[in-house]
Amino acid sequence: SQKIEQNSEALNIQEGKTATLTCNYTNYSPAYLQWYRQDPGRGPVFLLLIRENEKEKRKERLKVTFDTTLKQSLFHITASQPADSATYLCALDFNTDKLIFGTGTRLQVFP
Amino acid sequence: DAGVIQSPRHEVTEMGQEVTLRCKPISGHNSLFWYRQTMMRGLELLIYFNNNVPIDDSGMPEDRFSAKMPNASFSTLKIQPSEPRDSAVYFCASSNLDTEAFFGQGTRLTVV
Repeated sequence: SQKIEQNSEALNIQEGKTATLTCNYTNYSPAYLQWYRQDPGRGPVFLLLIRENEKEKRKERLKVTFDTTLKQSLFHITASQPADSATYLCALDFNTDKLIFGTGTRLQVFP
Repeated sequence: DAGVIQSPRHEVTEMGQEVTLRCKPISGHNSLFWYRQTMMRGLELLIYFNNNVPIDDSGMPEDRFSAKMPNASFSTLKIQPSEPRDSAVYFCASSNLDTEAFFGQGTRLTVV
């Protein structure tokens, strides 16, 4: 069955540094991949979407890459701020119209 | 639009009781998803609808769980009878196909 893996350990970085989060999947490549942010007690909030024929997508301080050979997506936050502290989830659609989420990685940015 | 609206926000019930969670999706969205989130298993897809029709309910854990979408503006997730292991946060989300999903605030269910 399809598996989506995100680092379950929290990522702790210093303010101003670049945070890099990883999303790996097995078997088939998705039609597209999304990244969400989730704060405690809230629902996930959409950040970026990247399609299988795209290598990279940017939005302000955020950058997502998608490597179908490695079966991996990387999510970067440049010039990180304490306000970026949250859990980040990747979600994949394998052309079935349903969105499957990874377990998420908690990011903590220290001043 | 007020976004995806879920009710109640919190529900505490005794084992064996029926629980009904409600969701109002964003107007115009044609897909609706029910997810369950726990620390151990993360965000699990239970069922999703497209144009009010259930497309995939393979994530529904047991026959105790059922979901309906009688019209484009309302969906329910029912657990009968409830068990302590059903305790989790249940999210509803809506979208148009192949686009971002918008989540509600979730319902925190505690079964004692």
